Amino acid sequence: GENVEQHPSTLSVQEGDSAVIKCTYSDSASNYFPWYKQELGKRPQLIIDIRSNVGEKKDQRIAVTLNKTAKHFSLHITETQPEDSAVYFCAASNRGGGNKLTFGTGTQLKVEL
Amino acid sequence: GAVVSQHPSRVICKSGTSVKIECRSLDFQATTMFWYRQFPKKSLMLMATSNEGSKATYEQGVEKDKFLINHASLTLSTLTVTSAHPEDSSFYICSAIPGQEQQHFGDGTRLSIL
Repeated sequence: GENVEQHPSTLSVQEGDSAVIKCTYSDSASNYFPWYKQELGKRPQLIIDIRSNVGEKKDQRIAVTLNKTAKHFSLHITETQPEDSAVYFCAASNRGGGNKLTFGTGTQLKVEL
Repeated sequence: GAVVSQHPSRVICKSGTSVKIECRSLDFQATTMFWYRQFPKKSLMLMATSNEGSKATYEQGVEKDKFLINHASLTLSTLTVTSAHPEDSSFYICSAIPGQEQQHFGDGTRLSIL
């Protein structure tokens, strides 16, 4: 089955700096890669996603890049703000495989003033 | 749109009790829903895929008789934790897919077994 690794497990940045979180996946059949933000005790919220037919997607301060050959994808957050502090999860799924999501281990992002 | 409602949000009960958790898609129909379990400071682990009108598909290592899943309608899936014990204490979250691949999550249920 799919295995998703995520790094780093914790990340501290100064407000206004950029944050980058990286994930690798093992199953070349995976074709959908969402990123979720989860605050303590809350539901995971989709912040951005990318499909395997594109290499990059951007939404305001958030961007995701995908390298299918290397099987890795990354989340980039620019101009970080304190409210960006949360746990971020990457995930991978194969639409042809029933859309089951395999999650990464999570990154605790702390944006310091 | 694409709202998933989960109930209850918090359950505290005695060991040996069975607990039912409901997951509803409020503004769309979902032939497939997913149930996850999340331990503190850990990732979400898929427990099972709930299929409307048929048996759920369980992930390896998940006990079918322990975690009963019923998906009797296109908007409701239930997870029943039978004869719950303290080790079953966890955060349980459901999700559903309104369209293509995007999974929308419920608010989760924090289950505490005393």
